[in-house]
Amino acid sequence: NAGVTQTPKFRVLKTGQSMTLLCAQDMNHEYMYWYRQDPGMGLRLIHYSVGEGTTAKGEVPDGYNVSRLKKQNFLLGLESAAPSQTSVYFCASSFPGLAGVGYEQYFGPGTRLTVT
Amino acid sequence: AQSVAQPEDQVNVAEGNPLTVKCTYSVSGNPYLFWYVQYPNRGLQFLLKYITGDNLVKGSYGFEAEFNKSQTSFHLKKPSALVSDSALYFCAVRDMRGSQGNLIFGKGTKLSVKP
Repeated sequence: NAGVTQTPKFRVLKTGQSMTLLCAQDMNHEYMYWYRQDPGMGLRLIHYSVGEGTTAKGEVPDGYNVSRLKKQNFLLGLESAAPSQTSVYFCASSFPGLAGVGYEQYFGPGTRLTVT
Repeated sequence: AQSVAQPEDQVNVAEGNPLTVKCTYSVSGNPYLFWYVQYPNRGLQFLLKYITGDNLVKGSYGFEAEFNKSQTSFHLKKPSALVSDSALYFCAVRDMRGSQGNLIFGKGTKLSVKP
């Protein structure tokens, strides 16, 4: 049981390049999330998904796209990277929760992205 | 607006002393509250949660948190700090505007435990 995994762990991009971050979970969770973490700003939600084939915008969605073709995978894409997207990206998943059980999110180890 | 505040950027504690990391929240309705810990270069680890029931919640690694509805607070506590508790701690509240389970995070508090 690996939990939530993310690939790659590190990446350096030049401005304008594109890339895809992959998140995978083996806990059969319905909900999945992408966050970015910047110093002094906590975690900010980029996009999320409440099930296979569905996605929605979070707090800071501009410049990112996502897809959830399979329940266990959630992809985050950067179409044209900008230096402002230099950050640490975290994926998380959760069980929807019922009668006090669940609700907490489980996080992957993160991807450190630098855009030059 | 729904929000979480962690008023202290950093908390310094001597090993063996009790520690408290503060969190206050603002949500409509009954809050679902969470604490997470992040060690350097790692992802966030779930520590504990309050959904309903007893105001004192016990979690991993000897941590506990007290829900205080009148003060809208959910402070994280530990009776005796360890050097290995040094990390970044995040408080979070569930966004009650939807059913998606989204969490709103505080900006984090760095805990430093000195020997």
